Amino acid sequence: DIQMTQSPSSLSASVGDRVTITCRASHDIHTYLAWFQHKPGKAPQSLIFAASSLQRDVPSRFSGSGSGTDFTLTISGLQPEDFATYYCQQYERYPLTFGGGTRVEIK
Amino acid sequence: EVQLVESGGGSVQPGESLRLSCFASGFTFDTHWMSWLRQAPGKGLEWVANIKLDGSVQYYVDSVRGRFTISRDNAKNSVSLEMNSLRVEDTAIYYCAREAQSSSWPDFWGQGTLVTVSS
Repeated sequence: DIQMTQSPSSLSASVGDRVTITCRASHDIHTYLAWFQHKPGKAPQSLIFAASSLQRDVPSRFSGSGSGTDFTLTISGLQPEDFATYYCQQYERYPLTFGGGTRVEIK
Repeated sequence: EVQLVESGGGSVQPGESLRLSCFASGFTFDTHWMSWLRQAPGKGLEWVANIKLDGSVQYYVDSVRGRFTISRDNAKNSVSLEMNSLRVEDTAIYYCAREAQSSSWPDFWGQGTLVTVSS
């Protein structure tokens, strides 16, 4: 199975900050990577697919980069509604696997 | 508007069975693979199973293979997850999700249904 390692597991940030979350795959997954936002009691929302493509209706302050084994999700100008947990997921091979999540909290 | 509505969650004892259902609307159902994913209490997201457009192919995570069965009814725009021999560690919120066309990432998720397995 492909292991996905996210870092940090949590971070504290202020509104307006630039936030970077990293995700590392245990094997080369090319660009078969997606990012999701999850708030308690809500359905997870897709943000990014193919490592860097923005899902429809997702604000442009979200961006993704990387290929192979190392990936990054960046939020440029954190907004109050962005406080949530973020997950990466590889879909290069089965079983599809997620990173452990990064909780973004208010400083 | 895309909608996925799960039902069938509840509380059961270890070894018992449960059937989850998900009804879809707002898109052409038989043009998308469908998935079930879950989140155990205090844990992260976990992919459980998915099923091809016509139901002819299914994939499972190892921990549920042989116990869970995913199926779909394209005439009713629904996907189900039959869960047998349930274990305490199957306790989770179960999400139904639509996969993006020609890919395996879930582009739209339902609100989830809670399954609790406890003696």
